[in-house]
Amino acid sequence: NAGVMQNPRHLVRRRGQEARLRCSPVKGHSHVYWYRQLPEEGLKFMVYLQKENIIDESGMPKERFSAEFPKEGPSILRIQQVVRGDSAAYFCASSPGTSAETQYFGPGTRLLVL
Amino acid sequence: GQQLNQSPQSMFIQEGEDVSMNCTSSSIFNTWLWYKQDPGEGPVLLIALYKAGELTSNGRLTAQFGTTRKDSFLNISASIPSDVGIYFCAGQSTGGTSYGKLTFGQGTILTVHP
Repeated sequence: NAGVMQNPRHLVRRRGQEARLRCSPVKGHSHVYWYRQLPEEGLKFMVYLQKENIIDESGMPKERFSAEFPKEGPSILRIQQVVRGDSAAYFCASSPGTSAETQYFGPGTRLLVL
Repeated sequence: GQQLNQSPQSMFIQEGEDVSMNCTSSSIFNTWLWYKQDPGEGPVLLIALYKAGELTSNGRLTAQFGTTRKDSFLNISASIPSDVGIYFCAGQSTGGTSYGKLTFGQGTILTVHP
């Protein structure tokens, strides 16, 4: 996975709690993408960020979900007041630019909402 | 939105057999990619295709970018047990804020019997 780190790898939350997922991109990469994978499905694009800016959030649910990529530190995907339907694997990918072949995926965070 | 239809959903083959899977799209993509995902991990890029009609090989893998830019196939020759996993096609469009965002197929689950 060329150095993309995600933590935690597994996260269990009860309905109504908040989930915070972290992604540390490959050193030097300024582009971060978040994708969600429901069981037995392909990955679905959620949001694309460059440092300090949200470029495309067309795949993000309108409520409860937010993402940031601050100047310093990892990118964060935050899910407030989680529901059972939020249970999924969340992957981030980082890239030095927008070319698809340079998008390296992290190992994912598996979120389980009880 | 853009959709990719990937088939077959799953395949059970004997070691040494060849495998073929394909993706079709309702819209045009500028780049087609094929990924492999092992259990508990993120997708790893296998092959990237950039031109309509392009045929590219990577070891025992061969992939083609359809001439209409709406389809692609992946062949695996002489399968081995470590080929087991989920294979995804993905397409990328360029232009506007879609640049960099990947659209994934539903995946093909490959099982190889020794």
